[in-house]
Amino acid sequence: NAGVTQTPKFQVLKTGQSMTLQCAQDMNHEYMSWYRQDPGMGLRLIHYSVGAGITDQGEVPNGYNVSRSTTEDFPLRLLSAAPSQTSVYFCASRRYSENNEQFFGPGTRLTVL
Amino acid sequence: GDSVTQMEGPVTLSEEAFLTINCTYTATGYPSLFWYVQYPGEGLQLLLKATKADDKGSNKGFEATYRKETTSFHLEKGSVQVSDSAVYFCALKTEAGGSYIPTFGRGTSLIVHP
Repeated sequence: NAGVTQTPKFQVLKTGQSMTLQCAQDMNHEYMSWYRQDPGMGLRLIHYSVGAGITDQGEVPNGYNVSRSTTEDFPLRLLSAAPSQTSVYFCASRRYSENNEQFFGPGTRLTVL
Repeated sequence: GDSVTQMEGPVTLSEEAFLTINCTYTATGYPSLFWYVQYPGEGLQLLLKATKADDKGSNKGFEATYRKETTSFHLEKGSVQVSDSAVYFCALKTEAGGSYIPTFGRGTSLIVHP
């Protein structure tokens, strides 16, 4: 199993550009989520999904869109990048059971100029 | 709502020193508790967990005991190594209200010097 994979690892955008961060998992996990990690802020939940076709907003959803057309994939779209979106983005997945751990991808480091 | 409070870092120790990273929580229902570790340049990975009161989670020499009376889940290690330098996150998960969202603390950076 590859686990949770994310692409790209690094990305530089100009203000106003759009892009999609890719996330895929091969563990047949129902639950997937996107976090951003900023210094002193810990992890903040952007969006999450409990299954194909179902998504919901987290703590900081503004400026981001998601979709879940398959169990495996959960892309995160930046509609019009802003410098405030400079961050490290992590995708995570897990099974529904409350005792199950989350599996995290290696992260995407995004810089918006 | 649910919340996790961790001690602020960075925590700086010499090799072989004793480590404690404090974590307290507020939750509805009966949460499961987790410690995750993030090594430089990597994603988070589970270090240990405990699913009910008085359970002790342990892994790689780290331990944490689920203390319901003090709502705490402090992380300890008797003798740290340079390779333990990382950021440590305390987290909880409860099924209250059908929530699927785990709650993370802000993370505590640990720096171990030779």
